[in-house]
Amino acid sequence: AQSVTQLGSHVSVSEGALVLLRCNYSSSVPPYLFWYVQYPNQGLQLLLKYTTGATLVKGINGFEAEFKKSETSFHLTKPSAHMSDAAEYFCAVSFGGYQKVTFGTGTKLQVIP
Amino acid sequence: DADVTQTPRNRITKTGKRIMLECSQTKGHDRMYWYRQDPGLGLRLIYYSFDVKDINKGEISDGYSVSRQAQAKFSLSLESAIPNQTALYFCATSDLAGAGGQSDTQYFGPGTRLTVL
Repeated sequence: AQSVTQLGSHVSVSEGALVLLRCNYSSSVPPYLFWYVQYPNQGLQLLLKYTTGATLVKGINGFEAEFKKSETSFHLTKPSAHMSDAAEYFCAVSFGGYQKVTFGTGTKLQVIP
Repeated sequence: DADVTQTPRNRITKTGKRIMLECSQTKGHDRMYWYRQDPGLGLRLIYYSFDVKDINKGEISDGYSVSRQAQAKFSLSLESAIPNQTALYFCATSDLAGAGGQSDTQYFGPGTRLTVL
């Protein structure tokens, strides 16, 4: 069965510092990978996704993620954190077709002024 | 206007009561989902529907039922609410991106915060 693991339920960074949120998946076939963001009192919205092709994926608000098959990882990064990035981030995996999407447990990002 | 709407946004009820949460979408998607979110547990799938005639149980369907009244409407019911069903509930929709691009991006509603006393 597919699964996804997010390392660290809480991450704190200083404003202007690098953001790195970790996600690893388990799969025996090529997955589709997603990062979603949830701002307080809101639903989740898509940040970026990997389906096929280029392994470095750019998303909204300056975020990007790189699919590394050898490491079964899809870590989310942003070069410089902004206060508005404070939110909860969810990694997710699916295999398309009639397969469901499986979400990780989430990482709350705190940005310190 | 929002593409995926949920009603009510907040609900407080008592143990044993029947509760219905409603979801409507204007995205024209065939697929709809109900999730619950609990702190530290992420999102867990309750039920999903790939079209009007298709209903499937998710990983935590016990104590819940659903109805797909139309392509645009998908309701979640708690027949007899219990305190451990206190959670944030999300409806979501998705559509296939076509052959070779079946990425299944999900579009979420704003959530319903349910408290069972």
